[in-house]
Amino acid sequence: EGQLLESGGDLVQPGGSLRLSCAYSGFNFNNDGMNWVRQAPGKGLEWVSAISGDGNYRIYTDSVKGRFTISRDNSKNTLYLQMNSLRVEDTAIYYCGRFSSIYYSYDYWGQGTLVTVSS
Amino acid sequence: DIVMTQTPLSSPVTLGQPASISCRSSQSLVHSDGNTYLSWLQQRPGQPPRLLIYKISNRFSGVPDRFSGSGAGTDFTLKISRVEAEDVGVYYCMQGTHFPPITFGQGTRLEIK
Repeated sequence: EGQLLESGGDLVQPGGSLRLSCAYSGFNFNNDGMNWVRQAPGKGLEWVSAISGDGNYRIYTDSVKGRFTISRDNSKNTLYLQMNSLRVEDTAIYYCGRFSSIYYSYDYWGQGTLVTVSS
Repeated sequence: DIVMTQTPLSSPVTLGQPASISCRSSQSLVHSDGNTYLSWLQQRPGQPPRLLIYKISNRFSGVPDRFSGSGAGTDFTLKISRVEAEDVGVYYCMQGTHFPPITFGQGTRLEIK
């Protein structure tokens, strides 16, 4: 059974930086697109970023372009999200998810890691 | 971007009774490959989302058969034939056809009367 486990969430001041990690295990994710999805407190789901299996294709939602960078290290089975110039509105639980090319949806989700941006 | 609109936003249901959630997209979700990539997710309190239904009507592994999906084009429905206590949570529709970006509905909160 595949598993995803996020880490790296923390309380940070506006303008600060954080790096989130998502470790995957259980099977080979190296060919699969991976995504970050966030959920602000009491709100719905918002897609943030995606990366292809080989890491060569990366895309972002407009509100994080130029501030966030998605990457992956397939040798370590880990997905990353480098978050710079953080804003109060980035406060959310950040989930990593595997985007299945069969279902065109997320068949595996991590438990999430909380990022709080506040002074 | 594709806008996904769910109704109702809240649905109080009696245990054992059916429930229905609608989702409408701002454009057709038929992909150029002929598939329609509309899925439904369930998020129980304090849990991450989980996949229930993919490509309109296909139940994901382990999903009880009381959950069913239907629809076409821009109008879709999730039905629960007999609501159980474990079904409490928020349900989201999601489109993967017009990616990027992935877009979700606002969520429908299912609660027990």
